[in-house]
Amino acid sequence: QQQVKQSPQSLIVQKGGISIINCAYENTAFDYFPWYQQFPGKGPALLIAIRPDVSEKKEGRFTISFNKSAKQFSLHIMDSQPGDSATYFCAASKRYSSASKIIFGSGTRLSIRP
Amino acid sequence: DGGITQSPKYLFRKEGQNVTLSCEQNLNHDAMYWYRQDPGQGLRLIYYSQIVNDFQKGDIAEGYSVSREKKESFPLTVTSAQKNPTAFYLCASSMRRDTEAFFGQGTRLTVV
Repeated sequence: QQQVKQSPQSLIVQKGGISIINCAYENTAFDYFPWYQQFPGKGPALLIAIRPDVSEKKEGRFTISFNKSAKQFSLHIMDSQPGDSATYFCAASKRYSSASKIIFGSGTRLSIRP
Repeated sequence: DGGITQSPKYLFRKEGQNVTLSCEQNLNHDAMYWYRQDPGQGLRLIYYSQIVNDFQKGDIAEGYSVSREKKESFPLTVTSAQKNPTAFYLCASSMRRDTEAFFGQGTRLTVV
């Protein structure tokens, strides 16, 4: 119930294309779904996050789509650029919990071909 | 500048040796976390702490120990009982009631 399943494990996209990474969760108590971006040798950094009361959130070229009934959410990167090449992690957690901890997906290594 | 500082960036350990990884934050965050990252396995939680003088085991706590004597510090000791310690270690922090996590730059530990 605590797992977050992420796919694909790796993804290669042509420059200018759309990158799509998917995640699924089991615990319906989760109410915060962030995506993190990690470059080699660096720590992950928060990219964008969504709460379950909305179905989509867009920030620049990055969009999260959220399907509460299916317990799935995805990250779309429009007009993908070589600088987007990184590892992406989805995550889920329960806000305002005294024992909150973040559950991470297994990561997707994204490579954008120039 | 506010942030999380991990040190050292690279650490080499001999077999049978204990080593301590440092993590300091000046974000006034209540919660702090330690994760281990291995290739293709994502982030695995080692220990976390919600308040000073209290911490909880994560999914892979065996062979590790922590302390939380100060709000801003959460050091991780990799003991000789950890059979395969070579990995990238990440420290993170968040406000207790806000789960946005901020990560340090990591420590790469290698057993020689």
